[in-house]
Amino acid sequence: GAVVSQHPSWVICKSGTSVKIECRSLDFQATTMFWYRQFPKQSLMLMATSNEGSKATYEQGVEKDKFLINHASLTLSTLTVTSAHPEDSSFYICSARDSGASGIADTQYFGPGTRLTVL
Amino acid sequence: SQQGEEDPQALSIQEGENATMNCSYKTSINNLQWYRQNSGRGLVHLILIRSNEREKHSGRLRVTLDTSKKSSSLLITASRAADTASYFCATRRSGGSYIPTFGRGTSLIVHP
Repeated sequence: GAVVSQHPSWVICKSGTSVKIECRSLDFQATTMFWYRQFPKQSLMLMATSNEGSKATYEQGVEKDKFLINHASLTLSTLTVTSAHPEDSSFYICSARDSGASGIADTQYFGPGTRLTVL
Repeated sequence: SQQGEEDPQALSIQEGENATMNCSYKTSINNLQWYRQNSGRGLVHLILIRSNEREKHSGRLRVTLDTSKKSSSLLITASRAADTASYFCATRRSGGSYIPTFGRGTSLIVHP
């Protein structure tokens, strides 16, 4: 099946620094990728939709300047948490929709997640 | 706002028993999907059921959908310790984008 990778799997950083998280679709092309945030024992909250070659679409309440998204190729999207603070500590998960899927187009393939801890 | 709500929030059973989780939603849907998440990991797609389907099987999984009650159930038969995980339902709203809206999940623990 389709595979999505994330890097790094975990990161610890100091308050005020920026952290970049990569999301890659390994064996398929994804014109659209999604970034979610998940707090312990909570559901996934969609942060933004990353569109290849265009600006990301952010959900209400998500700061665009805080969470920078770049989708420069059909297999890579990056999320940069700028000037991170302890309240940004969370589990960040990306997913990708197979642009060329002839099967179930609604199926999303999720990355393994990135655990961010801001001290 | 959340669309799907799973019930129960937590379920603890013995290996070999069946586990049933329910999902209720609020608006008309195009399809409903169930996902599984192991602790600290990403989500794995289990099964998708369309609004015109009533039941679907995949291995030890059985999913039902009742659009009149706006609910779905996921049954895992002959559970195994490896089934321990959180299970989420996600819905695609009728006429809406394909971005699924997730519920809070059911935490399943299967004791060996």
